[in-house]
Amino acid sequence: SYDLTQPPSVSVSPGQTASITCSGDKVGHKYVSWYQQKPGQSPVLVMYQDTKRPSGIPERFSGSNSGNTATLTISGTQPMDEADYFCQAWDSNTLYVFGTGTKVTVL
Amino acid sequence: QVQLVESGGGLVKPGGSLRLSCAASGFTFTNHFMTWIRQAPGKGLEWVSHISTSGSTKNYADSVKGRFTISRDNAKNSVYLQLDSLRAEDTAVYYCARTLIAAAGNLAFDFWGQGTLVTVSS
Repeated sequence: SYDLTQPPSVSVSPGQTASITCSGDKVGHKYVSWYQQKPGQSPVLVMYQDTKRPSGIPERFSGSNSGNTATLTISGTQPMDEADYFCQAWDSNTLYVFGTGTKVTVL
Repeated sequence: QVQLVESGGGLVKPGGSLRLSCAASGFTFTNHFMTWIRQAPGKGLEWVSHISTSGSTKNYADSVKGRFTISRDNAKNSVYLQLDSLRAEDTAVYYCARTLIAAAGNLAFDFWGQGTLVTVSS
């Protein structure tokens, strides 16, 4: 099976940059998406196809994917960005795999 | 606006069955693959199954293959998940999600329902 590993937690000060990594074997060969989930709510897509932002997602969210690591970056992090974040990889053979999830705390 | 409303969750004994439903509105249902994703309490997300626009293609996670069956009714804008031979480890919130249409493939889920809780316990 294919595994994606994320750090359990990331802490960031308001206004600073948060980077959330998603590690997997040759994940750069797959398309990666990212979801934000706040307590008691359903996940929300914040990035797809490595670098594309869905409509309505702020520009402070950006993504990259190369080699064995995909990264979601939140620039100028705001208190409202505090949430769990999950990466998800896709290719036509493996289909869909989710990462282990990262809790982002804005201190 | 896009809406996905799940129903059918509940408490069931091990070995029992449930049928989950997801009613879709606010978009052209027949243009999208539809997907079920689950989340055990306090845990991460797990893709369960998806179904193609016509219903001719269905894929399942290994953990549910042979026990769960996905289907859709395009006339009713609905997707279903039949859960059989349920186990304690199937306890989770089950989300219905719309698969995003991208040139590169059906690679993400752009709208999610509120979820329905399935609890498997004796």
